[in-house]
Amino acid sequence: QKEVEQNSGPLSVPEGAIASLNCTYSDRVSQSFFWYRQYSGKSPELIMSIYSNGDKEDGRFTAQLNKASQYVSLLIRDSQPSDSATYLCASVWSSNYQLIWGAGTKLIIKP
Amino acid sequence: EPEVTQTPSHQVTQMGQEVILRCVPISNHLYFYWYRQILGQKVEFLVSFYNNEISEKSEIFDDQFSVERPDGSNFTLKIRSTKLEDSAMYFCASSEESYNEQFFGPGTRLTVL
Repeated sequence: QKEVEQNSGPLSVPEGAIASLNCTYSDRVSQSFFWYRQYSGKSPELIMSIYSNGDKEDGRFTAQLNKASQYVSLLIRDSQPSDSATYLCASVWSSNYQLIWGAGTKLIIKP
Repeated sequence: EPEVTQTPSHQVTQMGQEVILRCVPISNHLYFYWYRQILGQKVEFLVSFYNNEISEKSEIFDDQFSVERPDGSNFTLKIRSTKLEDSAMYFCASSEESYNEQFFGPGTRLTVL
């Protein structure tokens, strides 16, 4: 069963704090993981990609991958109201390279 | 910065009519995709396309759907006889390789009346 699981939220975080978003996946041999941000009525926008265990930082965003636990997370530092959106986790299914999506976590940054 | 474009942004059609949704992927990308998202629901994979043929398709992508790359730049999704339940946002995406990041177009909102 191809699955990517996320807590649907909403996750409410005060402005300036760290927002932590989590995702688990079922494909043990998947190698590619992505975080997308989607504003209401808009298309998914790529935030981060991660392929190796550990942390990957880009500005205020840090993606963390733990392949042993089949777990990927996204940290957003110094959260801003403009970060309020739905965050989608996705992984590439190893057998056919299909991108499998989580249902998304709605993040609300409160001023 | 290169981007995926889609036309039209909004398409309204009568049930049973044919619609063609158009996409121009990023020029050096080799893999193309269509997704749909029904309002309030998750993104759903429809089809992937590589080297002028379908590489994967979901159970949603039945005989009513077809894709085509009619020239070197456009990538189209045709729905032959639209149903009410086809109303959704349709997103086109492209990637350099099958395991790379996919970049999405702005979407076409399809409304079937």
